[in-house]
Amino acid sequence: NAGVTQTPKFQVLKTGQSMTLQCAQDMNHEYMSWYRQDPGMGLRLIHYSVGAGITDQGEVPNGYNVSRSTTEDFPLRLLSAAPSQTSVYFCASSYSSPLFGYEQYFGPGTRLTVT
Amino acid sequence: KNEVEQSPQNLTAQEGEFITINCSYSVGISALHWLQQHPGGGIVSLFMLSSGKKKHGRLIATINIQEKHSSLHITASHPRDSAVYICAVALDGGSQGNLIFGKGTKLSVKP
Repeated sequence: NAGVTQTPKFQVLKTGQSMTLQCAQDMNHEYMSWYRQDPGMGLRLIHYSVGAGITDQGEVPNGYNVSRSTTEDFPLRLLSAAPSQTSVYFCASSYSSPLFGYEQYFGPGTRLTVT
Repeated sequence: KNEVEQSPQNLTAQEGEFITINCSYSVGISALHWLQQHPGGGIVSLFMLSSGKKKHGRLIATINIQEKHSSLHITASHPRDSAVYICAVALDGGSQGNLIFGKGTKLSVKP
C-alpha cells in the first residue's frame, strides 16, 4: 500500500493564481481531511469528507474548495492564491468505523509559497 | 482560548532519561491522539486512546477523562526520539476524522 500520497511536494504560486493540491489514499478510508500547518500554530482543519460525495467545512475553509468524487481522491483547490495561504498542507485519512479504529494516516505534506 | 494545551513547548533531555509530555483539553472528547512529527515534516500516529493506558515499545500514553488530561511518556530516551510530539482530540459528538490539535512539544534528546 502506498498509504496517503500528496502532490506536489513543493509549489510556488503568484498572488491570484489557482491550483489544485492532490491527495489520494489506497486504504479504502471513508474519512479524509485537509489541514494546514503554520509556524507557532497547531494544525488547523480546512475541509473534510466523510465519504464520496460528502464534504464539509472545517475551521479555516475560506479560499479553498474541495470535492470527493471517489473514495480514493480528495483534491484541495486554491481559487485565487493569497500570501496568507503560504503554509504546509497535510492530507489525512482514517476509517469511520470503531471496528477498525480511527487512527489517522497523514500524507507527506505540500509546502506552498504564495508570492 | 486554546482547546488543547501542551506542555512543555520545548524539552531537552539527555539520552536515557525518562520523558513526560502533557496534554490538557477543555472540551468533551471521544478520543485523543498522540502524533509524532519528524524533523523532515512527516506525521505519524503513535496512539489513539479514549480511556486508560496504551504502550508501544518505549512509549506509554495515558488519559484521565475526568481530569481532561493525557500524558505521553518515553522511557530510556534516544536521540532518534527527537521530534515534535502533537496531541489532538476528536470532539465528543463530532466527526472522528476532525481533530483539534495542540501546538506540539519539540523534544531534543542529546547523546
